[in-house]
Amino acid sequence: RKEVEQDPGPFNVPEGATVAFNCTYSNSASQSFFWYRQDCRKEPKLLMSVYSSGNEDGRFTAQLNRASQYISLLIRDSKLSDSATYLCVVPHNDMRFGAGTRLTVKP
Amino acid sequence: NAGVTQTPKFRILKIGQSMTLQCTQDMNHNYMYWYRQDPGMGLKLIYYSVGAGITDKGEVPNGYNVSRSTTEDFPLRLELAAPSQTSVYFCASSSNTGELFFGEGSRLTVL
Repeated sequence: RKEVEQDPGPFNVPEGATVAFNCTYSNSASQSFFWYRQDCRKEPKLLMSVYSSGNEDGRFTAQLNRASQYISLLIRDSKLSDSATYLCVVPHNDMRFGAGTRLTVKP
Repeated sequence: NAGVTQTPKFRILKIGQSMTLQCTQDMNHNYMYWYRQDPGMGLKLIYYSVGAGITDKGEVPNGYNVSRSTTEDFPLRLELAAPSQTSVYFCASSSNTGELFFGEGSRLTVL
């Protein structure tokens, strides 16, 4: 099992839709988790961190399921500007990324 | 408020040439990383360092070398450039919480 695996996508949704991505991890000892957003040809930028059961920031909710070893990212009321690739990271010494989930929000 | 600084931003190399991508951070982070990202693909870890004097291989280290003589600097060296090394290279450092801070990337083309 890979250290971090993500929904492959791509996800194509209309504006206003709710969309969710999952990210599974193999290291059961992990205590913190991160979602990053990457726009085309740009560096990844931190979207949300998750240290316990979950985190919410406006339209974005990240949830952690330790028993099943996955984190999810929920985006409500999608905007065109949410179009990007979403990356999850489960911190470890060698800090590997999932392959990313591409989201396109269409008018 | 520099954060992570990478140079150069763009570079074109001929096959067989060598070069060094520079990366420096001013946040006193112990952990630093080099990633490459090919078009339409995810980030692949090349090398990482958990502190000055300590480096280790990531997923795709072949064709690259690194050094970490100071906490601030983590240069990536390409000895014999090959077309397969055409990519965007990102340097990052991380805090004790695990949050990553990225440089803006270096776009390398090998012809």
